[in-house]
Amino acid sequence: GQNIDQPTEMTATEGAIVQINCTYQTSGFNGLFWYQQHAGEAPTFLSYNVLDGLEEKGRFSSFLSRSKGYSYLLLKELQMKDSASYLCAVRDLEGSQGNLIFGKGTKLSVKP
Amino acid sequence: DTEVTQTPKHLVMGMTNKKSLKCEQHMGHRAMYWYKQKAKKPPELMFVYSYEKLSINESVPSRFSPECPNSSLLNLHLHALQPEDSALYLCASSQAGGLSYEQYFGPGTRLTVT
Repeated sequence: GQNIDQPTEMTATEGAIVQINCTYQTSGFNGLFWYQQHAGEAPTFLSYNVLDGLEEKGRFSSFLSRSKGYSYLLLKELQMKDSASYLCAVRDLEGSQGNLIFGKGTKLSVKP
Repeated sequence: DTEVTQTPKHLVMGMTNKKSLKCEQHMGHRAMYWYKQKAKKPPELMFVYSYEKLSINESVPSRFSPECPNSSLLNLHLHALQPEDSALYLCASSQAGGLSYEQYFGPGTRLTVT
């Protein structure tokens, strides 16, 4: 089966660092994506990991451990505009097109 | 051009109406997707087109009918919808192959069925 877990909500302070965790169980893994979604808007791509390790992109970093079925998204120097939902999505090769399976999202609130 | 466009942005329709949602991309992507997203829920995959052929239908009711006229366009035809079909309908596209083929999402059509 397929299962993706991430915390429902998190709160952090402007300027701080926050880590959003995601654990997954899939039959055939071919990459993990993080998306940011502001309320009422479409998801926007943040990062992609297919090999173990850390990928850094400016204030955002994403880590993957395939053996543990675990990823995290690290946001540094938080800004108020980072308040959004963060969706962890796994590309599962079981089934015909290796499409994205989304977690339920983590709603991050950044406070002054 | 890294944009996926969708029209209309908002749509209100009655249960007896027929309407269509449109999606367009000019990134040369050969995979296109329809998702449905209810409030405070993640996107749920509905259909996937790969090289203009329907490759996945996630057990979507027949009142939703997708169409891919060419590699840049994707339509979703709506007929006899129910109020519970009210949601944000997202279109996305991606390269059909390659190691890193993230999906680019359009802004969505917010559909209300009355």
